[in-house]
Amino acid sequence: QVQLVQSGADMKKPGASVKVSCRASGYTFTDFYIHWVRQAPGQGLEWMGWMKPQNGATNSARDFQGRVTMTRDTSINTVYMELTGLRSDDTAVYYCARGPLWPQLDYWGQGTLVTVSS
Amino acid sequence: QSALTQPASVSGSPGQSISISCTGANSDVGGYNYVSWFQQHPGKAPKLIIYNVTGRPSGVSNRFSGSKSGNTASLTISGLQAEDEADYYCSSYTSSARGVFGGGTKLTVL
Repeated sequence: QVQLVQSGADMKKPGASVKVSCRASGYTFTDFYIHWVRQAPGQGLEWMGWMKPQNGATNSARDFQGRVTMTRDTSINTVYMELTGLRSDDTAVYYCARGPLWPQLDYWGQGTLVTVSS
Repeated sequence: QSALTQPASVSGSPGQSISISCTGANSDVGGYNYVSWFQQHPGKAPKLIIYNVTGRPSGVSNRFSGSKSGNTASLTISGLQAEDEADYYCSSYTSSARGVFGGGTKLTVL
């Protein structure tokens, strides 16, 4: 069965960076894009970007350009999302999800809570 | 890229039908048939319920249906049930090869 398993919750200080992993299983890793979506407490979903595992191509939302980096390790079917220059309003649950180029996201990770606090 | 516009809340009684709108622009909703809808219950990850405007994934009730006219997509839920109470989000592909979500709509079943 398709599964996306994310790394555990993390707490960071303002200005630091966080790297969240997303390990895929149950399907051919390079056949689908991985999208990153976040949700601040009590707020809606926010699309952050996508990574194409087949060739490492990425695209990110304008609000995150310069702060987000997505990478992958095809040997272990894992995609990573690193967010730098953390602020308190980056506190959110970060999800990875599988889909095509567009955000038709059929399988989601369990979410990773990132808390930014001094 | 601004978020797509959804009503903050809608409500309906069991058995009734409701619709949720999702308004964008020519560069996203209006330009592509790549609108999806997601259902999210508290504390859970979102669940895909509609894709490519009208498609329904296997296992999703046929009480959920989607449509689009111009720059506005809509989700209709017929025969409302208590379990439908949740937050609903639309998403779309955009002309810059990015994605965008709506602000979300809280559905209350009275």
